[in-house]
Amino acid sequence: SYVLTQPPSVSVAPGETAKIACGGNNIGRKPVHWYQQKPGQAPVLVVYDDNDRPSGIADRFSGSNSGNTATLTISRVEAGDEADYFCQVWDGSSDQGHVIFGGGTKLTVL
Amino acid sequence: EVQLMESGGGLVQPGGSLTLSCAGSGFSFTKFAMNWVRQAPGKGLEWVSGISASGDETYFADSVKGRFTISRDNSKNMLSLRINSLRAEDTALYFCSKGGTQMIDALDRWGPGTMVSVSS
Repeated sequence: SYVLTQPPSVSVAPGETAKIACGGNNIGRKPVHWYQQKPGQAPVLVVYDDNDRPSGIADRFSGSNSGNTATLTISRVEAGDEADYFCQVWDGSSDQGHVIFGGGTKLTVL
Repeated sequence: EVQLMESGGGLVQPGGSLTLSCAGSGFSFTKFAMNWVRQAPGKGLEWVSGISASGDETYFADSVKGRFTISRDNSKNMLSLRINSLRAEDTALYFCSKGGTQMIDALDRWGPGTMVSVSS
């Protein structure tokens, strides 16, 4: 089955840029979606289809996807961005499609 | 405003059964795929099942195939998940989430979740 790999943690100072990677075999061929989850809350979609933002999501959030790595970039990081981030794809390679999530990355704002 | 509200969680003994429900409002329920995603305490997100907008196509994670059944009632804007033969590892917060018109689309809205605890 298809596997998405994320680093367990990323740390960044306020005002700096955070990059969270999501690795998968030829992931560049699949649309990648990213979710933010704060403690005790449901996940929120922050980037979809590699680099589109839902309404209401700050333009500090962006994404890219090529080859075997997709990346979520958070510019000018704020304390409120501290959260877990999950990447996600649809794996339709088998007769039974599956939604696949990465293991999640905890973003710490120093 | 899009709203999703899950219900039906609780404490269940191993081997028992449970049906979770999700009520959708504020959008054209019949046009969108729906999914169930669970999160064990302190762990990441795990997709368990999805269903197409029409309900004709259903999908399951390998870990729950044969024990979970997903269904929807588009006349009532309701999504359901029937869980049989519950195991300790099914203990989790279960989220209902709205997809797009296709299963490949993002899950753009989530409910607050309903907790399922499996213990004797």
